[in-house]
Amino acid sequence: AQSVSQHNHHVILSEAASLELGCNYSYGGTVNLFWYVQYPGQHLQLLLKYFSGDPLVKGIKGFEAEFIKSKFSFNLRKPSVQWSDTAEYFCAADPLSGNQFYFGTGTSLTVIP
Amino acid sequence: GAVVSQHPSRVICKSGTSVKIECRSLDFQATTMFWYRQFPKQSLMLMATSNEGSKATYEQGVEKDKFLINHASLTLSTLTVTSAHPEDSSFYICSASDRGGGRDTQYFGPGTRLTVL
Repeated sequence: AQSVSQHNHHVILSEAASLELGCNYSYGGTVNLFWYVQYPGQHLQLLLKYFSGDPLVKGIKGFEAEFIKSKFSFNLRKPSVQWSDTAEYFCAADPLSGNQFYFGTGTSLTVIP
Repeated sequence: GAVVSQHPSRVICKSGTSVKIECRSLDFQATTMFWYRQFPKQSLMLMATSNEGSKATYEQGVEKDKFLINHASLTLSTLTVTSAHPEDSSFYICSASDRGGGRDTQYFGPGTRLTVL
């Protein structure tokens, strides 16, 4: 079955540490990929998305993600996290041939000041 | 811009009753709205896609007679959980997309927590 996997359920980092959150999808065809963020008490918001072209995608607030087709991965990175990055992060995939939109289970990030 | 609201934010109902959840796009016209449900510790699961003025498209395994979706205007979609049962207790989230956006550009609502006793 098609799915999106996020391996880290809960990550705790100190401020200024580097971040990498894993995301793998199981779909062999063309797929659009997304990272969403949900800050405490707020709605899901789009961080960045990949459709085609440069596999390294830059998003808002210093986040970036790299699409590695051979690994079916779309990991999210930030070189130096801040306390304000504390949030839930969701990876999502949109296989263009179908009607579904698949979310991962989310990764909770806590940044300690 | 691109704000989506949901009402109510939380609802508790008795088994067998019906519950209506509203999803509104406050500052844009939503030609397409999506309804998701999320069980604890699980992913958001797309339930259905609704286009203004037409019938919703339901995902496999979602009962269309149980989860009635109406998208009668460009700013409002409703999800009615009919004859709710405890297993319908979940977090329901809607998202909306404006003209040409589709699934690529979704603005999410804050969600509605449904508890069926």
